[in-house]
Amino acid sequence: AQSVAQPEDQVNVAEGNPLTVKCTYSVSGNPYLFWYVQYPNRGLQFLLKYITGDNLVKGSYGFEAEFNKSQTSFHLKKPSALVSDSALYFCAVRDLEGGGYQKVTFGTGTKLQVIP
Amino acid sequence: DSGVTQTPKHLITATGQRVTLRCSPRSGDLSVYWYQQSLDQGLQFLIQYYNGEERAKGNILERFSAQQFPDLHSELNLSSLELGDSALYFCASSLEGQLNTEAFFGQGTRLTVV
Repeated sequence: AQSVAQPEDQVNVAEGNPLTVKCTYSVSGNPYLFWYVQYPNRGLQFLLKYITGDNLVKGSYGFEAEFNKSQTSFHLKKPSALVSDSALYFCAVRDLEGGGYQKVTFGTGTKLQVIP
Repeated sequence: DSGVTQTPKHLITATGQRVTLRCSPRSGDLSVYWYQQSLDQGLQFLIQYYNGEERAKGNILERFSAQQFPDLHSELNLSSLELGDSALYFCASSLEGQLNTEAFFGQGTRLTVV
């Protein structure tokens, strides 16, 4: 069965500093990995995804994520954090279940707090 | 705007009542997912429909049911409501059959059971 883990409930970072939000995964086949962001009282918004190819994926709002197959990780990063990046971040994995249909599993979410 | 529409945005109802949440997926998306988000349990997958048929079930209570209609909109029915059912309910849609496509989420329905 597939799973996703976000080991940190909250990450605090000073504005202007680099940020990292961690995600590890477990799938039986090739991983299809996603990051979503949720602002207060809003739905989730897609940030970026890894399918195949380069291990460094660039996405929206200056975010990027590093895929590491040996460590089964897909950490979200940004070189310089903004106060407006403060939000809830979800990692997700997509895989084929028995019967051939897709299943999406989300992590528990990490709250990012960027301190001015 | 994700293209996924959920109504109503807010719902306040009493314990024991029944409510229906509605979702219109993005144009062209055949797959609809329902999620429950509560403060202490994160994002919980409830159920998935694809082109009118149930495809997967997650942590959905027996008091809850869903369906997807021929026009692809979906409804989530919650009955015999309890205080603990208070949560944000999200609908998402995606283009089924393509693992490399992201899901698009609606703004959610905030259900408050009093």
